Order: sequence, then C-alpha cells, then structure tokens
Amino acid sequence: DIQMTQSPSTLSASVGDRVTITCRASQSISSWLAWYQQKPGKAPKLLIYKASSLESGVPSRFSGSGSGTEFTLTISSLQPDDFATYYCQQYNSYPFTFGQGTRLEIK
Amino acid sequence: QVQLVQSGAEVKKPGASVKVSCKASGYTFTSYYMHWVRQAPGQGLEWMGIINPSGGSTSYAQKFQGRVTMTRDTSTSTVYMELSSLRSEDTAVYYCASSVAGTQMDYWGQGTLVTVSS
Repeated sequence: DIQMTQSPSTLSASVGDRVTITCRASQSISSWLAWYQQKPGKAPKLLIYKASSLESGVPSRFSGSGSGTEFTLTISSLQPDDFATYYCQQYNSYPFTFGQGTRLEIK
Repeated sequence: QVQLVQSGAEVKKPGASVKVSCKASGYTFTSYYMHWVRQAPGQGLEWMGIINPSGGSTSYAQKFQGRVTMTRDTSTSTVYMELSSLRSEDTAVYYCASSVAGTQMDYWGQGTLVTVSS
C-alpha cells in the first residue's frame, strides 16, 4: 500500500497568512493526488485534483503543486472559513489512501 | 445537481452486520464509480473500497476483505455497503463518495453513523 504522510499535523495561523501543507507519498504517484477540506460534523469537500487542478467553485486562494512523491497545498491568504482539517489522498493505485490530516487552527 | 443521500444512523451489537445505503440523483448513475470511506470518532479518513455501478465490479481494501460487500441497484440508483462481524472498532461515520472512473471523490454523501456497542 502507498503511505501518505502529511506535515504538519497541526498548523496555527492567522487570517491573512499564507500557509503551506505538505504531503509525501511512499512511492511515486505521478500527479494522482487530491486535497480535501473537512469541517467538524461535515463530509469532506474536494478542493484540488490531479495535484494542481482547482475544483469548480473553490476559491483561487487555494492551489496545489507537486508530482511524484512530494506535494503541497497552499492557501495564499487565510480566510476565517478556511480553518478546518485538510487531507491529501492518492488515487494512483488501489487501495486509495489518505494522509493523516492537517488541522489548521486559529492562532 | 448531484446528490448522494445516505441511510440513517444505526446501532448494532458486536458480531452483527450493518447495511448502509447511498441513493444517487442528478446524474447518470452508471457513469460514476462509488467509493466508501469511513471515519472513526476523532480520527482520519479510511478508504474501504469502490464499486463500478455499471457492471458491479468491486475492489476492497485488504483490511476489509471478507467482511465488506458493496452492491448496487441500478433500478433505484442506489449503492449499498454491508459490513459484517462488527466490532467496537467499526464504530465510525461511513461516507459514500462518487468519482469519475475511480479518480478523485467529487461528491460525498452526508455520512451515516454506525455505532457498535453491546
């Protein structure tokens, strides 16, 4: 199975900050990576697919980059609505696997 | 618009089985694969498996092989996930999520809480 490792596990930041979350795969997954946002008590929401493609309706302050084994999710200017937990997920091969999550909290 | 509506919360005893449904609307049912993902309380997301509603083919995570069965009913645009031999560690919210050709999960159901307790 492909292991996905996110860092950091928790990130404290302020409104307006630029933040970056990293996701590493245990083997190459090309660009078959998605990022999701989840708020408490809600289903995850797709933000980014194929490593860098922005899902329709997602604000342009979200961006993704990377390929192979190293990926990043960047939020250019944090908004109050962005404080949530973020997950990366590979879909290069079964079983699909998620990172352990990064909780983005208000500083 | 695409909607995935799941069945309601369940409480089961250890050793029992649970069957969760996910009814799709707003798109051609057989055009999108359906994943099942679960989330234990306070924990991360765990992929359980996938079904192709067109032909019914499935792929399950090794962890759940032998205990999980995913099926579909094309007449009602509904997919089902049945998990047997339940134990307390199976207490979780179970989500269905659709994707094109088994890629990223575009749309998610609202989740179904399954509680396993004696």
